[in-house]
Amino acid sequence: GESVGLHLPTLSVQEGDNSIINCAYSNSASDYFIWYKQESGKGPQFIIDIRSNMDKRQGQRVTVLLNKTVKHLSLQIAATQPGDSAVYFCAENAGGTSYGKLTFGQGTILTVHP
Amino acid sequence: GAGVSQSPSNKVTEKGKDVELRCDPISGHTALYWYRQSLGQGLEFLIYFQGNSAPDKSGLPSDRFSAERTGGSVSTLTIQRTQQEDSAVYLCASSLEWAGGEQYFGPGTRLTVT
Repeated sequence: GESVGLHLPTLSVQEGDNSIINCAYSNSASDYFIWYKQESGKGPQFIIDIRSNMDKRQGQRVTVLLNKTVKHLSLQIAATQPGDSAVYFCAENAGGTSYGKLTFGQGTILTVHP
Repeated sequence: GAGVSQSPSNKVTEKGKDVELRCDPISGHTALYWYRQSLGQGLEFLIYFQGNSAPDKSGLPSDRFSAERTGGSVSTLTIQRTQQEDSAVYLCASSLEWAGGEQYFGPGTRLTVT
């Protein structure tokens, strides 16, 4: 069946470095992708999204890249801060009859060392 | 304003008992979602309500699970005859209609079935 997965389950970086979190997806019908951040004991928090008609989108300190050819999604965090330490999830929506349903990946733990 | 709230925050129950989990969405949000998150895993979609439309129940894992949304606001997720594999964090989210990934999550209810 369709699935969304992450290449790296953990990522450790030094404060000030740039972080890159990767995600592979398998549903070629997915047309909308989202990155969420989840801190311990809290619900996920929306970071940034991208539609399949785009290959790059930038936010504040974050950039999402979408490569539909290889079904790959990445989240880049610039000048990573200790407050960025959390679990990061990618999610996809296939639209159509799946409207409203998000499929989440397993998550990557990002640890930022001061 | 107030975010999504869920109650109880923690629930311990004996195998075979029924449980009810409550979600209060953000006022004015017409879409409401339930997800389940097992330890160290991503989120698993359970059910989605949108306005007065029939809910998308395609993620409910068995007929022991049901959910309702009264008056287009508060939602209750009911698990009958709980099993140990039902132990997880149950997360509720709401959004303005189908607002893409900008779903606002509650803190979750941690369910432990002994």
